[in-house]
Amino acid sequence: QITLKESGPTLVKPTQTLTLTCTFSGFSLSTSGVGVGWIRQPPGKALEWLALIYWNDDKRYSPSLKSRLTITKDTSKNQVVLTMTNMDPVDTATYYCAHSQSGYVPFDYWGQGTLVTVSS
Amino acid sequence: QTVVTQEPSLTVSPGGTVTLTCASSTGAVTSGYYPNWFQQKPGQAPRALIYSTSNKHSWTPARFSGSLLGGKAALTLSGVQPEDEAEYYCLLYYGGAVVFGGGTKLTVL
Repeated sequence: QITLKESGPTLVKPTQTLTLTCTFSGFSLSTSGVGVGWIRQPPGKALEWLALIYWNDDKRYSPSLKSRLTITKDTSKNQVVLTMTNMDPVDTATYYCAHSQSGYVPFDYWGQGTLVTVSS
Repeated sequence: QTVVTQEPSLTVSPGGTVTLTCASSTGAVTSGYYPNWFQQKPGQAPRALIYSTSNKHSWTPARFSGSLLGGKAALTLSGVQPEDEAEYYCLLYYGGAVVFGGGTKLTVL
C-alpha cells in the first residue's frame, strides 16, 4: 500500500524559504523508474506541477519556477524534500507530493496535501 | 511558456455521455505527450484516472475512457453518475517536464 504525507510549516513570511518534506511508504525510491513529484494548488485554482525526482537522482523542474526550487531525496529515510526560496503571497497554496510509477505514469498516488500560507 | 487548455465547465445529465478535451499550445496532442487525466472532488487530493492516453488504473471505473480526438486528448464518461461531479485535470508530458491543464468543472444535473 503506497502512502505519502507532506509536512512543513503552515505559515511563512514573504522572502523566506519554504522547506517541505514528503514522507512515504509502500515503495522505494531506489526502484528503477520510480519518482516523487511536488504539485501545488492555490485556493480555488488549478494544479501546478513544481518538481520531480527519480530513482536515479534525475531531477526535473517547472521552467517558470526552476530558479527558486530544489528537490532532493533521502532514500534511507523514505523522504523527498522540496525547498522554494523567496516566498511570496502568490505562493499560498496546498502543496501535494505524489508517487510516479515512471516518467510516463506520473502521480498515480497522492498525499493529502498541506496548506502553506505566505503572509507577514 | 506551454499552455494546456481544457473546457472551463461542462454540464451533463445523469446517465448521459460527456467528452472533456485537452489541447496543447504547441500543436496537436499525440500519444507522445502521454496524456493523463485526474479527478478532484472538493476538499480532496486529486485521483489518477487515465495514463498514457487510454490506460486505466486498477481503480478507474469502466465508464471512464481516454482517447485522442481531433488533435486533442479526450476523456469520455459514459453513463455518468452523480458522484462523477468533480473537477477534471489533464496532464501532458513535454520531454521530462509536465504541464497540467486548467481543469474542467463537470456538473451532473
